[in-house]
Amino acid sequence: QKEVEQNSGPLSVPEGAIASLNCTYSDRGSQSFFWYRQYSGKSPELIMFIYSNGDKEDGRFTAQLNKASQYVSLLIRDSQPSDSATYLCAVIVDGNKLVFGAGTILRVKS
Amino acid sequence: DTGVSQDPRHKITKRGQNVTFRCDPISEHNRLYWYRQTLGQGPEFLTYFQNEAQLEKSRLLSDRFSAERPKGSFSTLEIQRTEQGDSAMYLCASSLTGTGVANYGYTFGSGTRLTVV
Repeated sequence: QKEVEQNSGPLSVPEGAIASLNCTYSDRGSQSFFWYRQYSGKSPELIMFIYSNGDKEDGRFTAQLNKASQYVSLLIRDSQPSDSATYLCAVIVDGNKLVFGAGTILRVKS
Repeated sequence: DTGVSQDPRHKITKRGQNVTFRCDPISEHNRLYWYRQTLGQGPEFLTYFQNEAQLEKSRLLSDRFSAERPKGSFSTLEIQRTEQGDSAMYLCASSLTGTGVANYGYTFGSGTRLTVV
């Protein structure tokens, strides 16, 4: 079992819709969770982090964490074509290093 | 401070040659990480430093790979006797991490794209 798992997609949503991206992780001791956005040919860019169970909102982005289910999600409201990218879920493992999922490709169609 | 800098941005080398990449982290960050990313995959952890000490190396890192951070500032990643399978994006990241310091994630550089022909 991989440490961080994501559906590779692509996930296609129409412009203005809500995009929902999901991630599961295997290390029950993990405390810190991150979402990165990566455009083609570019490096990852941090967009959200969450440490506590529940929801955390920042603009059009909401991160959701459920430690009991070992599940993290990212909601993007009012999706725009510029949101089209690969979204990487990442988890701090062993208290020391960030482990990434393979990423979910999001396509927002105008 | 302009963030994490990596040099070169692109490197094409012939199989069997040695290559060296440089990373300059954000100056107040004490940790520096190297990752490798291939097409369609997330970044894979290679190694990290806390100040000048190399604290962990991935099993992915064969003995052809070596990394240094001699003065706790910039770091170099060297690949000896390159193979075609080494072709990838090599990403450097830094963070400020420690007891009592919340982990706000890593800041990545622009990466070095290596092509071995």
